Amino acid sequence: EDQVTQSPEALRLQEGESSSLNCSYTVSGLRGLFWYRQDPGKGPEFLFTLYSAGEEKEKERLKATLTKKESFLHITAPKPEDSATYLCAVRNSGNTPLVFGKGTRLSVIA
Amino acid sequence: DAGVIQSPRHEVTEMGQEVTLRCKPISGHDYLFWYRQTMMRGLELLIYFNNNVPIDDSGMPEDRFSAKMPNASFSTLKIQPSEPRDSAVYFCASDIRQGGTEAFFGQGTRLTVV
Repeated sequence: EDQVTQSPEALRLQEGESSSLNCSYTVSGLRGLFWYRQDPGKGPEFLFTLYSAGEEKEKERLKATLTKKESFLHITAPKPEDSATYLCAVRNSGNTPLVFGKGTRLSVIA
Repeated sequence: DAGVIQSPRHEVTEMGQEVTLRCKPISGHDYLFWYRQTMMRGLELLIYFNNNVPIDDSGMPEDRFSAKMPNASFSTLKIQPSEPRDSAVYFCASDIRQGGTEAFFGQGTRLTVV
C-alpha cells in the first residue's frame, strides 16, 4: 500500500527564516510526486511534479527536490503570504489516483 | 476554463437527511475524483471515474454513500442518511489523464451534519 508521511505537522517561521518541509513515501514504482498548496477554505492548488530521484524544480521562493525515499520543499526567505498548508502526494506505476500526506501547516510571521 | 466547480460551498443538515454534493469537472478531463478531507485523516479518495464509468469505489466508507456521473460534465456524491461523522470537506478533482499529470481541485463543499 502506498504511503506518504509529512513532517513536521506544523511549522512557524519568522519572515526571512528559511526552512524545509519533508515528505517521506513508500510506493510501488513512483510515477510522480506532487506538491500542492492549500489555503484555508480553498482546494489544493498544484505547485510541482517530480518524476525521478535527483530532480529539482523551483518557483519563486520554493524549491522541491526528490530522492528515492523522500522529497523536500525548501522555502527560502519566506513571506507571510507563503503561509498555507503544503500537501505532498504520490502516484504509483499502476496509474492509480494520488495518495496524499496529511500536510504541513506553515505559518510565516512578519 | 473556470476550473472544477462544486456546489454548494457549504451545507448544514440534520442527521438522517439526504445530502447531494455536485461537481462540474474541467472540460476535456477524462478522470474525476471525489476526496474527503478531515483533520484526523487528511485527504482520502472516495471514488473515481474514467470516462463517466466508476473505476474504484473502495474508498466509499459505507453503503450510505453513492456517486454517479451521468455525463462528462457532471457528477454527484450522495449521502443517505447522513450522520454527524460525515462532517468534513468534500473535494472533487479532475485530470486530463492519469500518469504524470496533476489533478485540479474544486473549492470543496464543507458539510456539517448536526
